[in-house]
Amino acid sequence: GQQVMQIPQYQHVQEGEDFTTYCNSSTTLSNIQWYKQRPGGHPVFLIQLVKSGEVKKQKRLTFQFGEAKKNSSLHITATQTTDVGTYFCAAMIYNQGGKLIFGQGTELSVKP
Amino acid sequence: DGGITQSPKYLFRKEGQNVTLSCEQNLNHDAMYWYRQDPGQGLRLIYYSQIVNDFQKGDIAEGYSVSREKKESFPLTVTSAQKNPTAFYLCASSSRAPNSNQPQHFGDGTRLSIL
Repeated sequence: GQQVMQIPQYQHVQEGEDFTTYCNSSTTLSNIQWYKQRPGGHPVFLIQLVKSGEVKKQKRLTFQFGEAKKNSSLHITATQTTDVGTYFCAAMIYNQGGKLIFGQGTELSVKP
Repeated sequence: DGGITQSPKYLFRKEGQNVTLSCEQNLNHDAMYWYRQDPGQGLRLIYYSQIVNDFQKGDIAEGYSVSREKKESFPLTVTSAQKNPTAFYLCASSSRAPNSNQPQHFGDGTRLSIL
């Protein structure tokens, strides 16, 4: 079936370092959403990108949607311990019944 | 507070037993979803429902069944046909049918284990 590949699977950083996770698809995406799941918790919606080349910011988080609408990234500047968790992209693919297809997630750990 | 309530939080199943996971929402959302999460993997869609009395299979529906008799409720039954049911099950809802671009709101999940 359709897949959304997310890399890396794990990322360990020192507090204050930057972090980036990438999402890629071979198929054009209708839109892409990003979620954060804290350890032991449930996914929480962060943002949605719809337009080609779109860039959105939330404080230290920057989200990008590729020009071809086949990839996306989430970048965190100067990580903090509160950023710990797993970040998922979730893509909606054209002509696929509107289902969200989740990437495998990137687990971020931050060392103080 | 509006939200999604999943129960129980932990559930144990014996071999050959069916179990039902509850999901209730008071967000007045039309669409509801069931996902399965395994370690190191993303969320995989089991079933979803866009309106009452209608639901569709997701990517891994075998061994599961659902019903949508009320807008607020979308229970998931894990049948004995599901040979590897141990997982974290997440229920979600969104304000419109899945073809729209609405975010999904998740419950706290049910962790199912085999005895």
